[in-house]
Amino acid sequence: ETGVTQSPTHLIKTRGQQVTLRCSSQSGHNTVSWYQQALGQGPQFIFQYYREEENGRGNFPPRFSGLQFPNYSSELNVNALELDDSALYLCASSIRTGRSYNEQFFGPGTRLTVL
Amino acid sequence: GENVEQHPSTLSVQEGDSAVIKCTYSDSASNYFPWYKQELGKGPQLIIDIRSNVGEKKDQRIAVTLNKTAKHFSLHITETQPEDSAVYFCAASIRNFGNEKLTFGTGTRLTIIP
Repeated sequence: ETGVTQSPTHLIKTRGQQVTLRCSSQSGHNTVSWYQQALGQGPQFIFQYYREEENGRGNFPPRFSGLQFPNYSSELNVNALELDDSALYLCASSIRTGRSYNEQFFGPGTRLTVL
Repeated sequence: GENVEQHPSTLSVQEGDSAVIKCTYSDSASNYFPWYKQELGKGPQLIIDIRSNVGEKKDQRIAVTLNKTAKHFSLHITETQPEDSAVYFCAASIRNFGNEKLTFGTGTRLTIIP
């Protein structure tokens, strides 16, 4: 059973640019959640995807958007990057059955630096 | 929305002693409380979780207790070992609600002194 993988590992962008981060969910998992973890802080929920649709969103502006594909992998897109977007971006996958969830398994994250 | 507070922010413990980390939550509807361990350069790893219909859960050297009335829960690690050194996060969520948003505490950096 493969775990959650994310790419790239590290990324450096400049203010105003756009970025796409990728996540492959754990085998058999149908739900993907994205979190932002600033240095020294706990992860903050960005949004969740189930059946290729956004299924819940945290307090993040619309320039944070995402996709989920039929194979349950996912992308996080951030437009018009700001310095405060510098953080570790974590992807977590889980299994949803009806309205019931199992535990979330996290990937290693993508470290984004905005200059 | 839910707010989770975690204390202490740093904790140093002699190897073999016990460590306790405490969290409080604000939303009485929260019913699922996981604890994650995050090592340097890695994503959070689930180490134990508890649901609101249970007061205590134990897994070898790790235990979690939940007080729904006071809205607080704690992580207990006994017989600490050097490999327990990491950052620990508590979290809370409302399960079976259509989506599962984990709200995390700010983390506790645990250092085990050999």
